[in-house]
Amino acid sequence: DQQVKQNSPSLSVQEGRISILNCDYTNSMFDYFLWYKKYPAEGPTFLISISSIKDKNEDGRFTVFLNKSAKHLSLHIVPSQPGDSAVYFCAASNNAGNMLTFGGGTRLMVKP
Amino acid sequence: NAGVTQTPKFQVLKTGQSMTLQCAQDMNHNSMYWYRQDPGMGLRLIYYSASEGTTDKGEVPNGYNVSRLNKREFSLRLESAAPSQTSVYFCASRPGLASNEQFFGPGTRLTVL
Repeated sequence: DQQVKQNSPSLSVQEGRISILNCDYTNSMFDYFLWYKKYPAEGPTFLISISSIKDKNEDGRFTVFLNKSAKHLSLHIVPSQPGDSAVYFCAASNNAGNMLTFGGGTRLMVKP
Repeated sequence: NAGVTQTPKFQVLKTGQSMTLQCAQDMNHNSMYWYRQDPGMGLRLIYYSASEGTTDKGEVPNGYNVSRLNKREFSLRLESAAPSQTSVYFCASRPGLASNEQFFGPGTRLTVL
């Protein structure tokens, strides 16, 4: 049973518009959430994170929102650029931090 | 500063053969991890080493063994490869308790025939 789910395998967005990637989790012990970006033939790279004591974290064009009551988080990319085309993974951990549980990923395609 | 390096990049094995995947990091990180990535499954943790001298099982440890050779190096061994172990393997490292962020290597693509 997957504890972290990304229900949209793919998303296509026009350049300049907003991309919204969603992630749901079931384990209430998770208290830290991360987004990773992955290009083909490369390892995942860290993008942005959020602690459960916050409901929003921004870094430039990237914003992550956390809704603890719904066990849902989302990544907003504004404006989207063709270079953002990649697979995005949501990950969660508990306060021990040793283990990350990943979602299945969402492939984002930003069309010029 | 090379970050996390993995060797080999590609490998093809026959069923029953053994091999060791190598991983090294030069960031003086305490914790190291091995994941496998399968289509639609995200990354699943195989084994991890929270600190030098310790190793623990992750979500999918069956068929694998690990060795934390020193603080820099963490190897993953397949004793008798099976087709179900065809996957892309990623090694990662983490500074320590102060950070949840993990830094990943470029991956090893393994095919077991």
